Amino acid sequence: AQKITQTQPGMFVQEKEAVTLDCTYDTSDPSYGLFWYKQPSSGEMIFLIYQGSYDQQNATEGRYSLNFQKARKSANLVISASQLGDSAMYFCAMREDDSNYQLIWGAGTKLIIKP
Amino acid sequence: GEEVAQTPKHLVRGEGQKAKLYCAPIKGHSYVFWYQQVLKNEFKFLISFQNENVFDETGMPKERFSAKCLPNSPCSLEIQATKLEDSAVYFCASSQSDSSSYNEQFFGPGTRLTVL
Repeated sequence: AQKITQTQPGMFVQEKEAVTLDCTYDTSDPSYGLFWYKQPSSGEMIFLIYQGSYDQQNATEGRYSLNFQKARKSANLVISASQLGDSAMYFCAMREDDSNYQLIWGAGTKLIIKP
Repeated sequence: GEEVAQTPKHLVRGEGQKAKLYCAPIKGHSYVFWYQQVLKNEFKFLISFQNENVFDETGMPKERFSAKCLPNSPCSLEIQATKLEDSAVYFCASSQSDSSSYNEQFFGPGTRLTVL
């Protein structure tokens, strides 16, 4: 079974609008972390935001916030006021503390911001 | 250094040839991870090291892939007798400690391996 599911292969969003990228996960480990990375067309991996399973508040980093709904096992990334430079692949990943720290990845969502 | 360095940037090999990729983790980071990304899609975990010791090798196709992290040398990932399906971008990532709390993995720029 997939541990990380990103149901949106691609999205088009108008510049300046907010966008939500979906991520659901599956784990029985009570201690885990969820990560979002951005991969522009140039190929590098850029860390965006992290949410720990025991964190009480949703993580925020500038225009990025993570809508963490633990009971539903979802960790959606919200980008406010999207910019043309946000066009990229976005990957959700999970680290289970019982799994030797490797990251388990979703298939990614390709986000295209329209001017 | 302050960034994870990977060399070479691009590598082209004929099927059956050997390929060797290198990774220098961020100074002071104890953990090194190798991931394979095929066609800009999902990442597959290959192997991780804690300093020079193999930490987790559950993702390694052992018959042709091997990896090392020796003291005072870059880590390496070697593929003997490459196959067409090995064509991918290989990312190395490093992280600071074995804390079970937040532990960001910092990624290198990747090595694009093309097997012809």
